[in-house]
Amino acid sequence: QKEVEQNSGPLSVPEGAIASLNCTYSDRVSQSFFWYRQYSGKSPELIMSIYSNGDKEDGRFTAQLNKASQYVSLLIRDSQPSDSATYLCAVNMLDAGGTSYGKLTFGQGTILTVHP
Amino acid sequence: NAGVTQTPKFQVLKTGQSMTLQCAQDMNHNSMYWYRQDPGMGLRLIYYSASEGTTDKGEVPNGYNVSRLNKREFSLRLESAAPSQTSVYFCASQTGFQETQYFGPGTRLLVL
Repeated sequence: QKEVEQNSGPLSVPEGAIASLNCTYSDRVSQSFFWYRQYSGKSPELIMSIYSNGDKEDGRFTAQLNKASQYVSLLIRDSQPSDSATYLCAVNMLDAGGTSYGKLTFGQGTILTVHP
Repeated sequence: NAGVTQTPKFQVLKTGQSMTLQCAQDMNHNSMYWYRQDPGMGLRLIYYSASEGTTDKGEVPNGYNVSRLNKREFSLRLESAAPSQTSVYFCASQTGFQETQYFGPGTRLLVL
């Protein structure tokens, strides 16, 4: 069973703080990793994708990937109340034939609340 | 450019009834996907269509069928609805297997 696990929440941080969201995955050969944000009652929207080891920064968001440890994280700097949402980690896992067909395996999500 | 659209937005069914969830995308994407999301859980893949003319099972296909009608449209059918199929259903599409998946607004289904 290929799995994606996220740190249990909910996570509550004060406005202006750094929020740290973590995710581990079971399939060592996974190639693509995504962070989606989902507001209550809405559909997921992509905020970050990362494909190689290291850090990737986009504005206040930084994704970190460590394939050896099978670990991917998302840091949100200067957190704002508008960042309050559920964050979903998704991994594009390969099938037995080495093809992913874009199939995403999602973690259960971490609820983030940023309080003023 | 509407992106990914889904109909209906909300549906109530009785156990044993059938229905089809519709999904369409106008982004000329090759691949389309159906996921379900249950409370406290992430999304789980039901079926996918890697390209026009192909469909395949995902993680939780039992009780569902799909049709890739053309490049734009991918429908999900429940032949005999069960309370366990109460969920929010999301359709998604992408142009290439490593690319961003774009999600529709979802269909909220309640099976009584």
